[in-house]
Amino acid sequence: DAGVTQSPTHLIKTRGQQVTLRCSPISGHKSVSWYQQVLGQGPQFIFQYYEKEERGRGNFPDRFSARQFPNYSSELNVNALLLGDSALYLCASQGQIYEQYFGPGTRLTVT
Amino acid sequence: GQNIDQPTEMTATEGAIVQINCTYQTSGFNGLFWYQQHAGEAPTFLSYNVLDGLEEKGRFSSFLSRSKGYSYLLLKELQMKDSASYLCAANYGQNFVFGPGTRLSVLP
Repeated sequence: DAGVTQSPTHLIKTRGQQVTLRCSPISGHKSVSWYQQVLGQGPQFIFQYYEKEERGRGNFPDRFSARQFPNYSSELNVNALLLGDSALYLCASQGQIYEQYFGPGTRLTVT
Repeated sequence: GQNIDQPTEMTATEGAIVQINCTYQTSGFNGLFWYQQHAGEAPTFLSYNVLDGLEEKGRFSSFLSRSKGYSYLLLKELQMKDSASYLCAANYGQNFVFGPGTRLSVLP
């Protein structure tokens, strides 16, 4: 079975632009969470979605939004990019009993 | 807030035992995860503790004390490949709070 997949792997954007990151969870997992990880720090929780509904939101500005599709894949959108948005964006697929499995991440660089 | 504290860096020798401590806020706490993260890679799941006590899984063990808001990850028979960051993460309902990670260096 395929693990969690994310696309693209790397992305370079300019300040003010918008970006969409994509994630496909492990087959059978209905929950997806998004995290931002700045170099040298632990992941910071952005969103969790379950059955297409938002179940949790971290302390991020409204420029960050997400959605989950009927096939449980998910997109994270970030508008009006800032230099500080440069980070590794991780998607985690959640099965039962709160276990989370992370995808390889998308490394976003904002210039 | 829901702060997670763990040491920033640790160093140990190949073949030795190392214990990485983690403290967390107990209010609303559901369970405690440990992840391993090699440089440039995504975190990989190591363990999950929800009840007090020690969970052993090969060379790795994880301990939890819910009343004290304390956990540790014990790594035995250290190998060079164990050099990585170890992330402690607490689950609070639908929210997962990660610590800053402990960067472990295993020396020959």
